[in-house]
Amino acid sequence: GQQVMQIPQYQHVQEGEDFTTYCNSSTTLSNIQWYKQRPGGHPVFLIQLVKSGEVKKQKRLTFQFGEAKKNSSLHITATQTTDVGTYFCAKAAGNKLTFGGGTRVLVKP
Amino acid sequence: DVKVTQSSRYLVKRTGEKVFLECVQDMDHENMFWYRQDPGLGLRLIYFSYDVKMKEKGDIPEGYSVSREKKERFSLILESASTNQTSMYLCASSRNPGLAGGADTQYFGPGTRLTVL
Repeated sequence: GQQVMQIPQYQHVQEGEDFTTYCNSSTTLSNIQWYKQRPGGHPVFLIQLVKSGEVKKQKRLTFQFGEAKKNSSLHITATQTTDVGTYFCAKAAGNKLTFGGGTRVLVKP
Repeated sequence: DVKVTQSSRYLVKRTGEKVFLECVQDMDHENMFWYRQDPGLGLRLIYFSYDVKMKEKGDIPEGYSVSREKKERFSLILESASTNQTSMYLCASSRNPGLAGGADTQYFGPGTRLTVL
């Protein structure tokens, strides 16, 4: 089964609102990667977090790695229709990645 | 830009047929991966390869095999397709980070939507 849990599975957001999606693991992570998949598209790398407590920003997206390195979050401010898609977190295991189930984001205009 | 291409966007096959899905990457990446994607289950790793002629099973290898005869090409084979193999198949590639360790960014192809009737 999945070793990385993402919640929520679905997120309906009003355009202009903020939301957060979470990625949780029962084990300590060496790093975490986030990907975005637009409808009909393929996953595209967004960011990688490595250090405990690390926070990285990409415009309206804020990524955080937990202090214990067991969880991560993605916060989007002022959601736009271009944010529609599924956001995956993935944990590294050697050269492989194990993906969470994803959070599918739907934006109401 | 990294480019990962897959031989077909859509494929329809019959139960029992042998199916080949081809993936080619142009960035000289050591690692290549095959995933299947199903609603609510995310991306599940079928097989991966870290070098030519090398392969390792992923989380769901049953019913699949792979071939990597050249560094740029990684093939997924369904020996006898079944209806439960209807899915989206995604190929990806990445560098080997070597001594740095960890898993490098993966670059995905556009996917092949396979339907087995």
